[in-house]
Amino acid sequence: EAGVAQSPRYKIIEKRQSVAFWCNPISGHATLYWYQQILGQGPKLLIQFQNNGVVDDSQLPKDRFSAERLKGVDSTLKIQPAKLEDSAVYLCASSLGRQGHGQPQHFGDGTRLSIL
Amino acid sequence: TQLLEQSPQFLSIQEGENLTVYCNSSSVFSSLQWYRQEPGEGPVLLVTVVTGGEVKKLKRLTFQFGDARKDSSLHITAAQPGDTGLYLCAGPFSGTYKYIFGTGTRLKVLA
Repeated sequence: EAGVAQSPRYKIIEKRQSVAFWCNPISGHATLYWYQQILGQGPKLLIQFQNNGVVDDSQLPKDRFSAERLKGVDSTLKIQPAKLEDSAVYLCASSLGRQGHGQPQHFGDGTRLSIL
Repeated sequence: TQLLEQSPQFLSIQEGENLTVYCNSSSVFSSLQWYRQEPGEGPVLLVTVVTGGEVKKLKRLTFQFGDARKDSSLHITAAQPGDTGLYLCAGPFSGTYKYIFGTGTRLKVLA
């Protein structure tokens, strides 16, 4: 089966600019996650969707970050305006259902964002 | 704040040596997963443990879930350069759907 697709792979912008990332999960996966991974650290969950509804966005900086999952399939994550501390890898993952017993997450290769 | 601490943070060993990585929390997990992540890639699932005291083996890797489901360990026997990577534990805390990753252990195996 095709894996989780993310684009772009790399993005370099200046602070205060806007940027958007796209994710296409594995077909049939109801749950989609966006993570932020700062160099040398474990991923931090930003937002979790179940189909097209938000399950958890408690760690999403809502003053600058937004995400949507129209039609319960693809998703976009946007940052506007970007700050220097947003430099990180943004990972998208999907799973069949909500995280629970034995539900594995499948990750894309991420988008590496550099803020100048 | 629920934390998932891993130790050691960094580990550099020679090929053929054994090692153990620990994952600890003060909270109970409903299940716990171990991932390995290589540079430029997303994490790849290695194993899921569900039952307290459970032990799973994946070739030279042995995973153990603590009896109280608050901690886990990963033991690698006769490490090889191909084992190099960032090892991450993660899971949902019991009674929630909040999925949290550990702080990570970066392993380098030298030939």
